[in-house]
Amino acid sequence: DVKVTQSSRYLVKRTGEKVFLECVQDMDHENMFWYRQDPGLGLRLIYFSYDVKMKEKGDIPEGYSVSREKKERFSLILESASTNQTSMYLCASSLREGPGLDGYTFGSGTRLTVV
Amino acid sequence: LAKTTQPISMDSYEGQEVNITCSHNNIATNDYITWYQQFPSQGPRFIIQGYKTKVTNEVASLFIPADRKSSTLSLPRVSLSDTAVYYCLVGPLGPGTYKYIFGTGTRLKVLA
Repeated sequence: DVKVTQSSRYLVKRTGEKVFLECVQDMDHENMFWYRQDPGLGLRLIYFSYDVKMKEKGDIPEGYSVSREKKERFSLILESASTNQTSMYLCASSLREGPGLDGYTFGSGTRLTVV
Repeated sequence: LAKTTQPISMDSYEGQEVNITCSHNNIATNDYITWYQQFPSQGPRFIIQGYKTKVTNEVASLFIPADRKSSTLSLPRVSLSDTAVYYCLVGPLGPGTYKYIFGTGTRLKVLA
């Protein structure tokens, strides 16, 4: 069964900490995405990557960076965590052909709380 | 990518058919319509996709009128386990990477 695995289900960090959220997919997908999900705001795209070492900003990239050194791994970095980054973070991957019959495959999410 | 509009929430009772409509007035010729389902504490998952007319699979049906400016996701005889958020996405397929917009979706609550 194909999978997108996010390293942590729940995470609590302190304000100002550098936070790494890791995502690994085993489907050899070219595209990977990071979204955050907040009540009333739906899923918002933070960053995406269409190839190793390639990245593009989504709709809300401020306060975040990403790293993709290997095809299967896409990391989201909060350089200095703040309380307004408390959220559910979802990683997804897809074939280069876009959300076709197999669609996007999402991980189960990481619920991050910044205190 | 085409902007979509769908109801924020819907309630239904077990055993009823549920229809969720999505408006996408600016749909382009090469755009497809894709629906996702998200259960609490999980990531969204693909349920159905279509281009025109009607598509049916084991989970749902998708009705797309000739002008393609809207689409309707139909869930037959819903059960409590169909309680979820449903997202309508519109965009092209084919080589490339696209910033699909999930939006807030439609929160369906199925009541006993």
